[in-house]
Amino acid sequence: RKEVEQDPGPFNVPEGATVAFNCTYSNSASQSFFWYRQDCRKEPKLLMSVYSSGNEDGRFTAQLNRASQYISLLIRDSKLSDSATYLCVVLSGGYNKLIFGAGTRLAVHP
Amino acid sequence: GAGVSQSPSNKVTEKGKDVELRCDPISGHTALYWYRQSLGQGLEFLIYFQGNSAPDKSGLPSDRFSAERTGGSVSTLTIQRTQQEDSAVYLCASSLGPATSTGELFFGEGSRLTVL
Repeated sequence: RKEVEQDPGPFNVPEGATVAFNCTYSNSASQSFFWYRQDCRKEPKLLMSVYSSGNEDGRFTAQLNRASQYISLLIRDSKLSDSATYLCVVLSGGYNKLIFGAGTRLAVHP
Repeated sequence: GAGVSQSPSNKVTEKGKDVELRCDPISGHTALYWYRQSLGQGLEFLIYFQGNSAPDKSGLPSDRFSAERTGGSVSTLTIQRTQQEDSAVYLCASSLGPATSTGELFFGEGSRLTVL
């Protein structure tokens, strides 16, 4: 089983839609969680951290469920520019190793 | 430069040849990571450096892979006797301190390796 699992998608949504991505992780000792965004043929960039209480950054909301070892990302009012692959990332182990999921691809269409 | 710089950006080699990939992290960043990404796949962790030492080499796929970092700055990833399954984009990332602080890694644009 992979340490971080995501639905690969693609999610094809119209502009203005709300879309949610899920991610599960296997290591119950994991402490820190993040979402990264990767545009086609570009390098990944940090989108937001995921806090235990849930957190929001504009149209983006991230939530963590430790009991179910589950992380989510909600995007409201989707824009064309949101089209990208969203990577779920978990900090693993004692050596600051970030484990990346395979990513969920989002395509927003007019 | 302002960002993480990697070279070469593209490398095509024949099976069995050795290749060296270079990473120049952001100045002052003490942590440096190597990942690789195969087509349609997620990022696979290879190795982590803190300063010049590598406390975690657990991701190196085989003994054909090695990496070093000198002067707390530039890092080189070497792949000996390349195989076709080594074809991937090799991404280097750096961070100011350990990833536990912010989780933010700054990635280079990657070195795309194709082994024929």
